[in-house]
Amino acid sequence: DTGVSQDPRHKITKRGQNVTFRCDPISEHNRLYWYRQTLGQGPEFLTYFQNEAQLEKSRLLSDRFSAERPKGSFSTLEIQRTEQGDSAMYLCASSFFDRGEAFFGQGTRLTVV
Amino acid sequence: ILNVEQSPQSLHVQEGDSTNFTCSFPSSNFYALHWYRWETAKSPEALFVMTLNGDEKKKGRISATLNTKEGYSYLYIKGSQPEDSATYLCAFPNNNAGNMLTFGGGTRLMVKP
Repeated sequence: DTGVSQDPRHKITKRGQNVTFRCDPISEHNRLYWYRQTLGQGPEFLTYFQNEAQLEKSRLLSDRFSAERPKGSFSTLEIQRTEQGDSAMYLCASSFFDRGEAFFGQGTRLTVV
Repeated sequence: ILNVEQSPQSLHVQEGDSTNFTCSFPSSNFYALHWYRWETAKSPEALFVMTLNGDEKKKGRISATLNTKEGYSYLYIKGSQPEDSATYLCAFPNNNAGNMLTFGGGTRLMVKP
C-alpha cells in the first residue's frame, strides 16, 4: 500500500458543472476524512466516515456537497452546481479507529472558472 | 468552535538559522495535539502527536514541546536547511467527533540557501 491516493490531482471546471473526486485510503484504515483548504488558511473539516457510515458533517458542507463511502473502502466527494467559492484544495485522510494520527493524500485542487 | 492559532503566519530564514513557531489551542478538555509538515505538491506529513503536558519530542533537527495547562506548543527547527521549507500545521483532534482535526492557519517557512 502506497498511502492515501486522490484522483484527480487537479480539476478545472466551469461554474454550474458537477464534479466528483475520489479518495482511496490506506486499506486497513476504517476512518476516512475530507477536508478543504483555501489559500492562506489551514485545512477545514468537511466530513468523516467510519467504515461505510458517515458520522459527522460540518456546516461547511452545503446541500450541494455529498460524500459516500459505499463499501467502507474508497470514498467519493461530489459537488453539484459548482460555484467560484468552491475553488480550493480538497484533502482526504485516513486513520485507524481511535488512533490519532491521520495520513493524508496529496489533495485535489479544484478551480471553478 | 475550537480556536487553534499559529504564529507567525510566515517566516523567512537563512540556511543554518534556528527557528521556532507557536501553536495555541484550548487548554480545557485536552486530548492531543498534532504537528504536520506540508511541502508544496506533497501530502501533509505527520511530524508529532503530543499527548502529555511537558512532552518533548524530537525527529532529527525538529523538536516540539507541549504545555497543556496554558494551551501552547512550540516547534523548533535547529540549523534550518532549504529542504525544511514547507508549511507547518498544528491540529487539535476532537475525540468526541471521530478525532476530526481543527487546524491552525499554519506557519509558512522559507529557508534561503
